[in-house]
Amino acid sequence: EAGVVQSPRYKIIEKKQPVAFWCNPISGHNTLYWYRQNLGQGPELLIRYENEEAVDDSQLPKDRFSAERLKGVDSTLKIQPAELGDSAVYLCASSSSRTERGSKNIQYFGAGTRLSVL
Amino acid sequence: DQQVKQNSPSLSVQEGRISILNCDYTNSMFDYFLWYKKYPAEGPTFLISISSIKDKNEDGRFTVFLNKSAKHLSLHIVPSQPGDSAVYFCAASNTGNQFYFGTGTSLTVIP
Repeated sequence: EAGVVQSPRYKIIEKKQPVAFWCNPISGHNTLYWYRQNLGQGPELLIRYENEEAVDDSQLPKDRFSAERLKGVDSTLKIQPAELGDSAVYLCASSSSRTERGSKNIQYFGAGTRLSVL
Repeated sequence: DQQVKQNSPSLSVQEGRISILNCDYTNSMFDYFLWYKKYPAEGPTFLISISSIKDKNEDGRFTVFLNKSAKHLSLHIVPSQPGDSAVYFCAASNTGNQFYFGTGTSLTVIP
């Protein structure tokens, strides 16, 4: 079974430029999460989707960040314009109501996109 | 406001000995807890979980203990192996959907 796929793995941009990240969740997982992880910190939730609906975007800086999950499958996260403080690893995760381990809501993470804003 | 705290940024243990990683939380409404392991340049991978109705869950070399009165959980790895060297994150949830992560503990198992 393929895991969560994210691209690109690395991105270097200058401040004020736009950037986009892409995520393809595990097949059949209806819940998709975008996290930001700063150096030395744990992941912090930006937005959570249930199918194509954003059900929790309270931590998403909406002035510059946007996300979409068309058709309830893959998702994109965009930053426009990027700022120096946006440098971080952006992680995508997905989950189902029940996993093969029998425990609910275990999140499976992609490898992340490391963004450097210069 | 950090609701989940891992106060030890790093831990070194000899191979074969026990590793104990600690995690504290502040929200008494949390009812589900997980541990994730992260290798460099990879995303976190699920390790073990525990519901608040239990105080212990075991999976092979990994055991998680939950002390609700102290709002504390710990992960025990025994025996520790060099391949266990990674960053370990604990996470907690009160809805089953939104998880709050600690800052991680970097474990080094010395051969």
